[in-house]
Amino acid sequence: QQQVRQSSQSLTVWEGETAILNCSYENSAFDYFPWYQQFPGEGPALLIAIRSVSDKKEDGRFTIFFNKREKNLSLHIKDSQPGDSATYFCAASMTGSWQLIFGSGTQLTVMP
Amino acid sequence: GGIITQTPKFLIGQEGQKLTLKCQQNFNHDTMYWYRQDSGKGLRLIYYSITENDLQKGDLSEGYDASREKKSSFSLTVTSAQKNEMAVFLCASSIGQSNTEVFFGKGTRLTVV
Repeated sequence: QQQVRQSSQSLTVWEGETAILNCSYENSAFDYFPWYQQFPGEGPALLIAIRSVSDKKEDGRFTIFFNKREKNLSLHIKDSQPGDSATYFCAASMTGSWQLIFGSGTQLTVMP
Repeated sequence: GGIITQTPKFLIGQEGQKLTLKCQQNFNHDTMYWYRQDSGKGLRLIYYSITENDLQKGDLSEGYDASREKKSSFSLTVTSAQKNEMAVFLCASSIGQSNTEVFFGKGTRLTVV
């Protein structure tokens, strides 16, 4: 049973478009949701994160929209650039836990 | 800033062999992790350690041992390499629990022949 699910394995958008990456989760006790970005040959790096008390978190071109009732969230990348081409992992954890549960990732390609 | 260094970068082993992967961090973080990354499956936790000499099993601990003899280092041993062990092993660290930023190394790519 996959606790964190990313619906698309891959996504292709054109430069300048908004890329939308979706994520859903099973456990209603999860209260922290980071998104990690990974380039080939590198480890994942934290991009942006949201806590369940908020429904939106914005950082520059990156925005997380969070729906606690529906147990899903999405990462919006505005004005996508070719340099945003990477794999994006949605993850989740709960207060008091040492485990970060990752989705299977979405490979984003931004075409110039 | 800090860095997580994993050695070796590439590891080729024989089926049945015992193999050790090493990780060093200079963040002075208390918590360290070992994750396994398989293509299309995301990252799965093997072991973690919340302080020196502490070891906690993750969901994927069977077939692995770990050791945290110093705060700055965390090693992982594949006790008997299997053909389906081809994966990237990622070491990570954080200042506290999983709801703080987790920093990752670049990984060790394991191939079993």
